[in-house]
Amino acid sequence: LAKTTQPISMDSYEGQEVNITCSHNNIATNDYITWYQQFPSQGPRFIIQGYKTKVTNEVASLFIPADRKSSTLSLPRVSLSDTAVYYCLVGFVISSGSARQLTFGSGTQLTVLP
Amino acid sequence: DGGITQSPKYLFRKEGQNVTLSCEQNLNHDAMYWYRQDPGQGLRLIYYSQIVNDFQKGDIAEGYSVSREKKESFPLTVTSAQKNPTAFYLCASSHKPGTGLKDDTEAFFGQGTRLTVV
Repeated sequence: LAKTTQPISMDSYEGQEVNITCSHNNIATNDYITWYQQFPSQGPRFIIQGYKTKVTNEVASLFIPADRKSSTLSLPRVSLSDTAVYYCLVGFVISSGSARQLTFGSGTQLTVLP
Repeated sequence: DGGITQSPKYLFRKEGQNVTLSCEQNLNHDAMYWYRQDPGQGLRLIYYSQIVNDFQKGDIAEGYSVSREKKESFPLTVTSAQKNPTAFYLCASSHKPGTGLKDDTEAFFGQGTRLTVV
């Protein structure tokens, strides 16, 4: 079963731009790429989603190359409150072809330092 | 307000007892999921359901059971067969994958239930 691969951890300083890359070599043609943020003892929350090229919203940008085998979440000017685990998610079709499970990788622990 | 609700927030269980964690959603989502998270770890899929009266095992289904009698509800039972049940449990819902909707990988999560075996 295909899976995503992300760096385990990253450190940054307040005010810097942070880029987190996710590899998903076996992404299916119809899959969207979704990123989530999780604070301790809370459920993950949706950040951004894209299919190809670039998507931008009020909190982040998502860059997806033409082959879609990876994606990069970009957080501009991070603050201490952005310290969290960030998950990259793509939908995977299981062998039966009739159902799909949402499989999370291990995520990236981002620590923003003052 | 639409959303997904898990209860209770904290749960204590004695060894050898079964416990059931509640998950309810009013988002009209077809798909629902249960994940387990251990300290410092990512989310691992326990069970998922794409439609009422149907569900499939995830990566770590042993020692757990589910039911999906209603679209809105997907309770998880942690049985005495689960050897190490102490963990943070998260329920999620989404549109049915493969519908062609843009947001079929946008899952909405509850706030979690922290289960402790005493």
